[in-house]
Amino acid sequence: KAGVTQTPRYLIKTRGQQVTLSCSPISGHRSVSWYQQTPGQGLQFLFEYFSETQRNKGNFPGRFSGRQFSNSRSEMNVSTLELGDSALYLCASSPTVSPGDTQYFGPGTRLTVL
Amino acid sequence: QKEVEQDPGPLSVPEGAIVSLNCTYSNSAFQYFMWYRQYSRKGPELLMYTYSSGNKEDGRFTAQVDKSSKYISLFIRDSQPSDSATYLCAMSAQVTDKLIFGTGTRLQVFP
Repeated sequence: KAGVTQTPRYLIKTRGQQVTLSCSPISGHRSVSWYQQTPGQGLQFLFEYFSETQRNKGNFPGRFSGRQFSNSRSEMNVSTLELGDSALYLCASSPTVSPGDTQYFGPGTRLTVL
Repeated sequence: QKEVEQDPGPLSVPEGAIVSLNCTYSNSAFQYFMWYRQYSRKGPELLMYTYSSGNKEDGRFTAQVDKSSKYISLFIRDSQPSDSATYLCAMSAQVTDKLIFGTGTRLQVFP
């Protein structure tokens, strides 16, 4: 079974631009979560989608948004990029929404904002 | 103060050593505890999952939860160079809650 895939793997943008990251979950998984990982803050939860509905949202500004499609694929968008948005963005999928379900992480998208 | 604290390391040990990785937390409502391993340039992968207090063993790995002290540990026996990675603890209060992660401890096992 194919794992979680994220595209693109690397991205360089400049301040003020916007970016869209894509995540394809494992086949059959309906829950997709997004995280931001930085050396100083570690892994921080962005949002979680289940069956196209946002179930949970972390403490990030409104510039960060996401959505999930009927095939469970998910996208996240960051508008008006700031230098501090440089990070590894990880997507994780699981069959349902229980923390007992193993969350399978993708390799991440490394975003650099110049 | 962060909800979950974890020493960033790096922790450097010789092959065969017993490794102890720890996290402390402040929210007494946490009852689901996980340990993830993250290799360089990869996403985290779930190693151990524990509900409430107690110990759980899986091969060379043992997870311990002490809710009275708000302290969790991951022990690795007979450590191998392939165990070199960053280890992240994560926890949540309810089944439907988001996971709160520690910042991770970088472990280096040298031959």
